[in-house]
Amino acid sequence: AQSVSQHNHHVILSEAASLELGCNYSYGGTVNLFWYVQYPGQHLQLLLKYFSGDPLVKGIKGFEAEFIKSKFSFNLRKPSVQWSDTAEYFCAVTLYSSASKIIFGSGTRLSIRP
Amino acid sequence: GAGVSQSPSNKVTEKGKDVELRCDPISGHTALYWYRQSLGQGLEFLIYFQGNSAPDKSGLPSDRFSAERTGGSVSTLTIQRTQQEDSAVYLCASSLGGSSRSNEQFFGPGTRLTVL
Repeated sequence: AQSVSQHNHHVILSEAASLELGCNYSYGGTVNLFWYVQYPGQHLQLLLKYFSGDPLVKGIKGFEAEFIKSKFSFNLRKPSVQWSDTAEYFCAVTLYSSASKIIFGSGTRLSIRP
Repeated sequence: GAGVSQSPSNKVTEKGKDVELRCDPISGHTALYWYRQSLGQGLEFLIYFQGNSAPDKSGLPSDRFSAERTGGSVSTLTIQRTQQEDSAVYLCASSLGGSSRSNEQFFGPGTRLTVL
């Protein structure tokens, strides 16, 4: 069965630190990849997505993610975090051949110390 | 509307009661999804509607859970004989649907269900 793994459950950083959140998926076929963010008290919103083309994708608020097919990974990065980045981050995958369901990782809670 | 809306925002019920949760998708979106987010866990897919096609119910955890979508728009998720383990945030999402390249999903604010 397809699955998405986010190994970091809770990450605590100071402002201006660099961020990398890991995401690995298990599926051998073509996939679409997403990162969603949920700020405290708000609903899930899309941070960035990869469908095809350049494996380095840029999203909102200075976030980027790199798709490495050989490693089945789609790690999220930001060079310098801000307190306002405190949120929960979810990696997700859909099968290219299927528009039905998104498979989400369990999420990573990011806490930024001011 | 501008986004996906869900009602109620909070629902407290007693064990054994039935509950109905409502989702209004973004106008023009043909695909609608229900997910469940339990405390400390990720999002669990429940059910997916695409146009007039038969829904994908593969994520429903038991036969106490059902959902319908009337007129290709509003959807209702029904949980019969609620149990305490049903307590969670139930999220609805919609997307343009039709092809995998348009399956960016937009989420509603969720309904927090508490079963006492």
